[in-house]
Amino acid sequence: DTEVTQTPKHLVMGMTNKKSLKCEQHMGHRAMYWYKQKAKKPPELMFVYSYEKLSINESVPSRFSPECPNSSLLNLHLHALQPEDSALYLCASRGQVNTGELFFGEGSRLTVL
Amino acid sequence: QKEVEQDPGPLSVPEGAIVSLNCTYSNSAFQYFMWYRQYSRKGPELLMYTYSSGNKEDGRFTAQVDKSSKYISLFIRDSQPSDSATYLCAPVETMVGNTGFQKLVFGTGTRLLVSP
Repeated sequence: DTEVTQTPKHLVMGMTNKKSLKCEQHMGHRAMYWYKQKAKKPPELMFVYSYEKLSINESVPSRFSPECPNSSLLNLHLHALQPEDSALYLCASRGQVNTGELFFGEGSRLTVL
Repeated sequence: QKEVEQDPGPLSVPEGAIVSLNCTYSNSAFQYFMWYRQYSRKGPELLMYTYSSGNKEDGRFTAQVDKSSKYISLFIRDSQPSDSATYLCAPVETMVGNTGFQKLVFGTGTRLLVSP
């Protein structure tokens, strides 16, 4: 079983809703990532947090708002999404520094109606 | 041209076959090369990684990198139906600036089907 836990596993929301995705890891990793994955495509990097500070934002629209309350938790707040935002949202935490070793959660499958 | 090219498959093999999965890349600065396995509707799982050129073996899996030809391979011996998944190669890029972060540059993934 993965040591990165994501909730909820499935989420359906309307374009006017506000919802949040949550991610938790207890491996002591200090960098956490959000990725977006569309069907039959590889994951695309969205955000990177290091020591609870936002370090990388890959030009993601502001309707996605990340938050890192502490070193174990990562949230992704969603507001006014579009149907094309429907995807699998993956959280990952970084293992060994310099190697790119990432541990992924099972993802939250989002459907925007 | 994409930075990392990978045949999407599907690649269908019988149980017990030796499987060869491959990627090519264009950025000579890549130093670490990751292989992830992703089952349907699940997150990617790190299989193994190599540093620079050479081979690395872990059980039935062998990862191989040839930096001179910019070619990455993953071999699976005695393939099992449980190996049926999408395999993603991901060279690692050091991000510019003072972030010091590494970014996985994913290939498109190759879907492998192992039949009993």
